[in-house]
Amino acid sequence: AQTVTQSQPEMSVQEAETVTLSCTYDTSESNYYLFWYKQPPSRQMILVIRQEAYKQQNATENRFSVNFQKAAKSFSLKISDSQLGDTAMYFCAFMKDSGGSNYKLTFGKGTLLTVNP
Amino acid sequence: NAGVMQNPRHLVRRRGQEARLRCSPMKGHSHVYWYRQLPEEGLKFMVYLQKENIIDESGMPKERFSAEFPKEGPSILRIQQVVRGDSAAYFCASSLLDEQYFGPGTRLTVT
Repeated sequence: AQTVTQSQPEMSVQEAETVTLSCTYDTSESNYYLFWYKQPPSRQMILVIRQEAYKQQNATENRFSVNFQKAAKSFSLKISDSQLGDTAMYFCAFMKDSGGSNYKLTFGKGTLLTVNP
Repeated sequence: NAGVMQNPRHLVRRRGQEARLRCSPMKGHSHVYWYRQLPEEGLKFMVYLQKENIIDESGMPKERFSAEFPKEGPSILRIQQVVRGDSAAYFCASSLLDEQYFGPGTRLTVT
């Protein structure tokens, strides 16, 4: 079974600064996907960024980027130029690659990020 | 293209009643997942369905909970004889390939 650990229950950052959220995972799978989801106060789950484990290049989406260290089983999220709208709960998630089939997501417990003006 | 729809958004039930939660996947998606989020927790997988088939129900409690995804109509998560511990947010997600899109969730409160 897979486990996902987010060791920072809460973090805060000043507007326009950079913040990094940590995530580690444990799996015996060699092929998998990793995701960061954002859950603002509306509670809607929004996909922020994804990473395929077979790709060495770290994923980037505008102000969001990841540091994927496969050997260390680490998958951190960096948010640059933080904005007030980034205030949310952030969840790291793991999904096994079932070779074209779909599979469930395993989530961490989340990190509550507050961006201060 | 409409996103994943869930209704109702809020549901209040007394202990012992039944709760029915509905999920309409995105157009063209034939895979549906249900997750439960308890207060201060991450989402926990419950069940994965394709049209007319339950593929993985390893996260579903053995009693009182059931799910279906009929050939026509939305997916239904049914909780019989609800108890206070069932109070949670229930999220549905749908997918075509490996990316899951979430609905807004149903917040169930058991009084």
